[in-house]
Amino acid sequence: ETGVTQSPTHLIKTRGQQVTLRCSSQSGHNTVSWYQQALGQGPQFIFQYYREEENGRGNFPPRFSGLQFPNYSSELNVNALELDDSALYLCASRQGNYGYTFGSGTRLTVV
Amino acid sequence: DQQVKQNSPSLSVQEGRISILNCDYTNSMFDYFLWYKKYPAEGPTFLISISSIKDKNEDGRFTVFLNKSAKHLSLHIVPSQPGDSAVYFCAARVQTGANNLFFGTGTRLTVIP
Repeated sequence: ETGVTQSPTHLIKTRGQQVTLRCSSQSGHNTVSWYQQALGQGPQFIFQYYREEENGRGNFPPRFSGLQFPNYSSELNVNALELDDSALYLCASRQGNYGYTFGSGTRLTVV
Repeated sequence: DQQVKQNSPSLSVQEGRISILNCDYTNSMFDYFLWYKKYPAEGPTFLISISSIKDKNEDGRFTVFLNKSAKHLSLHIVPSQPGDSAVYFCAARVQTGANNLFFGTGTRLTVIP
């Protein structure tokens, strides 16, 4: 079975731009979550999708948005990028209440 | 508001000795706790978990202890091996809503050969 894959692995954007990060869930997993990990911090929950609907959100502004597709893959979109958005963005998928599996992340640098 | 805390940013241990990583939490609604291991340029890898109805869970060299009254959990690795060198994150889940995870800030473990 394949794990969680994320693309791209690295990305550099300019302040004010928009970015889209992508995640393919582990086979059979219908729930996907996104986390932001700033340097020296633990991952922080951004939001979660279950069967294409957002069903949970952390303390992030509306310029962080997402989508989940019928094949359970997902996108994270960030508008109006700020320097503080520079971080590692992690996608995690699961089936049911357990078994959180993380991808390797996308390293976003905003300059 | 940091609901999961790992107060030791780093720990060094000799190979073969025991490594003890600690984690404290504040939310009494957490019902499930996990430890993740993270190498540079990789995502967190699940290591071991424990339900709030238990006080100990063991898997090979790894044991997690939960003290609910103290809101404290610990991960014991014995014997420690150089390949265990990584950043370890403690995480906790509330079984309501999105069942999302709350993470600590991590402890960097270095096992010295």
